[in-house]
Amino acid sequence: DAGITQSPRYKITETGRQVTLMCHQTWSHSYMFWYRQDLGHGLRLIYYSAAADITDKGEVPDGYVVSRSKTENFPLTLESATRSQTSVYFCASSTLDPSDTQYFGPGTRLTVL
Amino acid sequence: QKEVEQNSGPLSVPEGAIASLNCTYSDRGSQSFFWYRQYSGKSPELIMFIYSNGDKEDGRFTAQLNKASQYVSLLIRDSQPSDSATYLCAVMGSGSARQLTFGSGTQLTVLP
Repeated sequence: DAGITQSPRYKITETGRQVTLMCHQTWSHSYMFWYRQDLGHGLRLIYYSAAADITDKGEVPDGYVVSRSKTENFPLTLESATRSQTSVYFCASSTLDPSDTQYFGPGTRLTVL
Repeated sequence: QKEVEQNSGPLSVPEGAIASLNCTYSDRGSQSFFWYRQYSGKSPELIMFIYSNGDKEDGRFTAQLNKASQYVSLLIRDSQPSDSATYLCAVMGSGSARQLTFGSGTQLTVLP
């Protein structure tokens, strides 16, 4: 089915480990985004990408790395996970049309012990 | 820093009533405004977007935008228990980056 998927859906890791969260969309949307959602903070933008090989920082990029070698994939890597990175991570994508609507993936719940 | 504030919840309304959700934003150059609904444990889903001053209606939902007051609202008429969710206001600021700034959300409960 067309859409936006994330994997894994749930992940438990330990402090200091590297973790990669995957995001894949089948719409060929130009823009892709990574958010984290924490109680009391709403959704905060980590990184975004306007096209393949074009990425930029959002509001809370520290501790995260992204890449986008293909339009459909936008992985997010936590280079050395910390407990403060325990959160729910959402990937989103959007077109260039005037509505600029962002469509969200199902999310990944990450726990860092 | 761009800010988006939503009226503090939780908000409870009886079934059939009108639910009113409010949002203010700090970036006067903001162009587009979105309302998302998020059920517990699920991802946000778009309800409506608006970018012109005035009202925009879609079924039981009406979005209202007042750029001079930097205010956007969402009215839900004939509220149903299935409308119980957290409603997120999101604002796309000036510039071409298409970044959204989200409010922290208002939790709505519709009582049968």
